[in-house]
Amino acid sequence: DSGVTQTPKHLITATGQRVTLRCSPRSGDLSVYWYQQSLDQGLQFLIQYYNGEERAKGNILERFSAQQFPDLHSELNLSSLELGDSALYFCASSVGDRGHEQYFGPGTRLTVT
Amino acid sequence: QKEVEQDPGPLSVPEGAIVSLNCTYSNSAFQYFMWYRQYSRKGPELLMYTYSSGNKEDGRFTAQVDKSSKYISLFIRDSQPSDSATYLCAINTGNQFYFGTGTSLTVIP
Repeated sequence: DSGVTQTPKHLITATGQRVTLRCSPRSGDLSVYWYQQSLDQGLQFLIQYYNGEERAKGNILERFSAQQFPDLHSELNLSSLELGDSALYFCASSVGDRGHEQYFGPGTRLTVT
Repeated sequence: QKEVEQDPGPLSVPEGAIVSLNCTYSNSAFQYFMWYRQYSRKGPELLMYTYSSGNKEDGRFTAQVDKSSKYISLFIRDSQPSDSATYLCAINTGNQFYFGTGTSLTVIP
């Protein structure tokens, strides 16, 4: 158990809908990272927050947004969902902002029908 | 060209064998080199990280980085059936994080 928690574990929704994925980092970690993992693309970095501020942005679509709250938990919002958004979404956390020692949560499996 | 390329495998070895997993990368600015292990339907688990050329050892695992060739490797000695998983290399530079597509390893008892 990495100490990173993600909810929900599974999510099934329809195209065009909006969902929110939640992540609680390990105690003491200030950075949160979001990733998307699909069979054809592998693990893709979406976005990083450090102590409430956006620190780095990867291949995140405009339909996706994230935030980190004062208690350091983070939410990833996915809107106008498409079939291609079906994937595993992972959250990771680290103490600092360099990202070389990330601890991953168990993931949320999103299925868009 | 992808930022990091990884031998896809799959790799199947007998128990006790030495396993070599490899990745190449394109950008010499990359600072940290990591290896993760991922069991089916689980989150990746950090095995090791390094930032310099050379070898870093941790138990049965050795991470090797050759910055001149832009090549990274993970060696697993005395492989065990519990090592059966997908291994992901990862690299980062400042504010970008790139993962290889993973090598599936099966260790046969």
